[in-house]
Amino acid sequence: QVQLVESGGGVVQPGRSLRLSCVTSGFTLSTNGMHWVRQAPGKGLEWVAVIWFDGSRQYFTDSVKGRFTISRDNSKNTLYLDMNSLRAEDTAMYYCGRGSGANHAYVDRWGQGTVVSVSS
Amino acid sequence: EIVLTQSPATLSLSPGERATLSCRASQSVTSYFAWYQQKPGQAPRLLIYDASNRATGIPARFSGSGSGTDFTLTISSLEPEDFAIYYCQLCSNWPPEYTFGQGTKLEIK
Repeated sequence: QVQLVESGGGVVQPGRSLRLSCVTSGFTLSTNGMHWVRQAPGKGLEWVAVIWFDGSRQYFTDSVKGRFTISRDNSKNTLYLDMNSLRAEDTAMYYCGRGSGANHAYVDRWGQGTVVSVSS
Repeated sequence: EIVLTQSPATLSLSPGERATLSCRASQSVTSYFAWYQQKPGQAPRLLIYDASNRATGIPARFSGSGSGTDFTLTISSLEPEDFAIYYCQLCSNWPPEYTFGQGTKLEIK
């Protein structure tokens, strides 16, 4: 069955960096766009980034542009989110998700998330 | 940037009742619209895509409707497992922007 497993979260000081990984199984990663979505404690969902199935396009929410990078290694069935210059407001549960539909418009499968806490 | 506003913020109903959740877009949406369900401590789950299509494995009591700026998620007869938070979401055409509403909490009355 389809599985997405995130890792790499933790406690980090403001201004530092962190790399999240999402290992996928049960489907062919190279045929799907992939998303990162986050959820601050007690808050709603916030879309963070998407990468096209072949890595040719990436889009980000404004608050992370220039600080976060999304990438993928289809040979390793793995999605990444490189987060630099972290801020307190980046504290959240980070979910990876499989895109579906045109423009990878929807997230039809989700991982269980990894927690990022930015604090001094 | 399109803003999605969900109403009500909280909806209190009893099992067996009909639930109607609303999502209004700040401008007309001609693209991709979805609904998700999230239970405490769990990841979200896709319920409805393209405004009215049920995702795989979603029970028939869930239905979506709407176009333009107003969208509705209806649960025809609430089951105990339906009490959760529901989010609407859209993806604009180009460049793609992905936006979630703030959520509606459906709680047991």
